Amino acid sequence: NAGVTQTPKFRILKIGQSMTLQCTQDMNHNYMYWYRQDPGMGLKLIYYSVGAGITDKGEVPNGYNVSRSTTEDFPLRLELAAPSQTSVYFCASSYSGQTGYGYTFGSGTRLTVV
Amino acid sequence: AQSVTQLDSHVSVSEGTPVLLRCNYSSSYSPSLFWYVQHPNKGLQLLLKYTSAATLVKGINGFEAEFKKSETSFHLTKPSAHMSDAAEYFCVVSDWNAGNMLTFGGGTRLMVKP
Repeated sequence: NAGVTQTPKFRILKIGQSMTLQCTQDMNHNYMYWYRQDPGMGLKLIYYSVGAGITDKGEVPNGYNVSRSTTEDFPLRLELAAPSQTSVYFCASSYSGQTGYGYTFGSGTRLTVV
Repeated sequence: AQSVTQLDSHVSVSEGTPVLLRCNYSSSYSPSLFWYVQHPNKGLQLLLKYTSAATLVKGINGFEAEFKKSETSFHLTKPSAHMSDAAEYFCVVSDWNAGNMLTFGGGTRLMVKP
């Protein structure tokens, strides 16, 4: 049981480049989330999905896009990388939107934009 | 709207002494509350959660937390610190009105001295 798998673990991008952060979960969770964590800070929600074909913006969505074509996959797309997007990105999933269910987090992707 | 305040950004204790990490929350409805731990360069691991059952919650690795509605607090404690407890700790709140979106506190870095 792999849980939530994120790739790549590390990436350096040049300003203006694009990339996709991959996230896959094998727990049949219907909810999936993307968070970013800036140095010394807590996590902030970028986008989330309550099921295949449904996505919605979180607290800090600007500069990102997502899609959810399957239950398992929830990729995060950066179209024009900017230094402000240097951060650690965490994907997470949960079984239900009901409160009380904890999240399962991936191990993170450390992105640097130079 | 929900929010979380972790009252100490850094806490330093000696090995074998008690640990107290403080957390206050604000939520419109009956919240669910979590503590997550993040070891250096690792993902987040759920320590414990409160979901309107017993107000004293026991978690992994000897940690526990007490939900005090009158004080809007959810402080994390451990009777005796171990070197392996050194990590970043996040207090997190969610409520059904926010669709199980997690709101993170700013984190508390726990340092354990030999």
